[in-house]
Formats: sequence, C-alpha cells, structure tokens
Amino acid sequence: QQQVKQSPQSLIVQKGGISIINCAYENTAFDYFPWYQQFPGKGPALLIAIRPDVSEKKEGRFTISFNKSAKQFSLHIMDSQPGDSATYFCAARGKSTFGDGTTLTVKP
Amino acid sequence: GAVVSQHPSWVICKSGTSVKIECRSLDFQATTMFWYRQFPKQSLMLMATSNEGSKATYEQGVEKDKFLINHASLTLSTLTVTSAHPEDSSFYICSARGRAVEQFFGPGTRLTVL
Repeated sequence: QQQVKQSPQSLIVQKGGISIINCAYENTAFDYFPWYQQFPGKGPALLIAIRPDVSEKKEGRFTISFNKSAKQFSLHIMDSQPGDSATYFCAARGKSTFGDGTTLTVKP
Repeated sequence: GAVVSQHPSWVICKSGTSVKIECRSLDFQATTMFWYRQFPKQSLMLMATSNEGSKATYEQGVEKDKFLINHASLTLSTLTVTSAHPEDSSFYICSARGRAVEQFFGPGTRLTVL
C-alpha cells in the first residue's frame, strides 16, 4: 500500500503561471512533510518542508499548503520559471516514504 | 543545507564483479543513512536504512546479501553491490539525517553493469 500518493504525474505550465502539485497521505503518525526537487542525473534537493501544526509555509515563490483533516498537502510554485522544470517529489517522514513524482515543464 | 557526497558519480563494471559506493556527510554527523534506487523516470525506492554502528534494516524484497551496507562511522556509509548483473544497473542515491529531521541527499551514482 503506497503511503503517499502524488498527482499529477506530469504538469505543463506557462512561464509566470502557478504550478500546483498535490499529495495525500495515509498515516496520521507522519509528522514532517518535505518536498524535493530533482534535476535529471542529480540527487533530490530539499525544497521546502512543513510540520502538521501549521497550515501553510512560504519560502520565496514556493508555498506548502497543509490540510490535516483531509490528510493532504500541496506545493504551489508562483511565477513559474523555465528553470523550475524538474521532477518534484513529496514525502512523509515515518519511513522516508516518497510520492511517485511530478515532472514539471515550464514553457517560456 | 548540509552536504552529502557520493563516490563514484558513475561506474561501469563487468557482470559478476562487485562495486562499492561511498556516501559521506561532509559537515554534519549522520546518525541515519538511507540508500535508494531509482529507475529512469520513476520515484526513489528505499532499499535500506542504517544507523551508525548497527546493522542495516532492509526493505522487503531487497537482498541483503547482494546489497551490503556498512555504516561504520557517523560520516560514512557504503553500499556494495556484490556479483553485479545487468539488472542491477540503476541510479543509486544515498541520503543522510543527523539529529534534526531534515534528510539530505547525495548526488547519486550511476551504475552500469555490462
């Protein structure tokens, strides 16, 4: 049973638009929800993370929205840029569980 | 963020040989290290978790005799792929976690078995 479900699988956004990636989790014991960005041939890099005691966290153009009751969290990338084109993974701490990834393409 | 290195970044070997991949935390002490395997355009698959000084905990379906993990110090973990075969070709990524909750990833090692 996959513990973290991520959607969409791929996303195409125009430059300047908002990219939204969603994740849902099962285990209420998870207490830390990071998002990672991965470029081809590279390891994932921590982008932003949130704990369940807050509903939103913003760092620059990146925002995590967290809905504890729905067991969902999402990544919003404002003013998306071509350099944001990468694969994004959500995760949940407990057993280092990752979503399947979302390939984001930002068109110039 | 903290820095995790991996060596080598890529390796090509003949079938039947063993390959060792090193993972180092450069500026923090990693009490826990994780090893992942990633196939093209797929997510990271956790292979095993290791705590310094103790045996690694392998995920279901991962052969512990084939993928030997050693976490002998707080800054070094190694993954040895024994008797490698072409189906072991993959991108192997380690990550490390200290006392804080954040997990930092290495740059990955591309293994190609001929």
